[in-house]
Amino acid sequence: DVKVTQSSRYLVKRTGEKVFLECVQDMDHENMFWYRQDPGLGLRLIYFSYDVKMKEKGDIPEGYSVSREKKERFSLILESASTNQTSMYLCASSFTGFMEAFFGQGTRLTVV
Amino acid sequence: GENVEQHPSTLSVQEGDSAVIKCTYSDSASNYFPWYKQELGKRPQLIIDIRSNVGEKKDQRIAVTLNKTAKHFSLHITETQPEDSAVYFCAASRSTDSWGKFQFGAGTQVVVTP
Repeated sequence: DVKVTQSSRYLVKRTGEKVFLECVQDMDHENMFWYRQDPGLGLRLIYFSYDVKMKEKGDIPEGYSVSREKKERFSLILESASTNQTSMYLCASSFTGFMEAFFGQGTRLTVV
Repeated sequence: GENVEQHPSTLSVQEGDSAVIKCTYSDSASNYFPWYKQELGKRPQLIIDIRSNVGEKKDQRIAVTLNKTAKHFSLHITETQPEDSAVYFCAASRSTDSWGKFQFGAGTQVVVTP
């Protein structure tokens, strides 16, 4: 059973803080993703990574960066949190480009 | 980059009726089209997918059709049941056997009333 685990279910941070969202998968998946989910906007891709070698910006990378030092771990970093980054963040992973992406349980981030 | 549009945003159907959700994509090189279902408070899960070399795929009450020329694909749910109530997302990807970057539509809230 594939497991994609996000470090926090709920998080409250202050404006200007540096925030780390962690994601770990246990199935040796090459591809990992960070999405942001907002009502009416669906799942918007923030960053995509293929193994530790490649990181690629998605549709809304501004204000975010990522780290993937080990294949199983993909971190999303909010360099200086702002209130407009209040959202649900979903991590996902897949083995290949033609296989199911498995999602984590999500992190509800509130920036105050 | 890829842009995926999904319609309608909400869909109400009577139990037993059919539901159809349509998506269009912009990148003609996209070759993999999965559909995900997200129940309230839960994570999205794959329900069916189709590759660009196939025009239609069925799995029990669910089917997906793909029109590469028009760059659109659709999800069909027949004999809807209350447990089909959820948000459905389409996605498109220019995939290889190694990697694929999935772009999702905005989602369709399906409500099945008994």
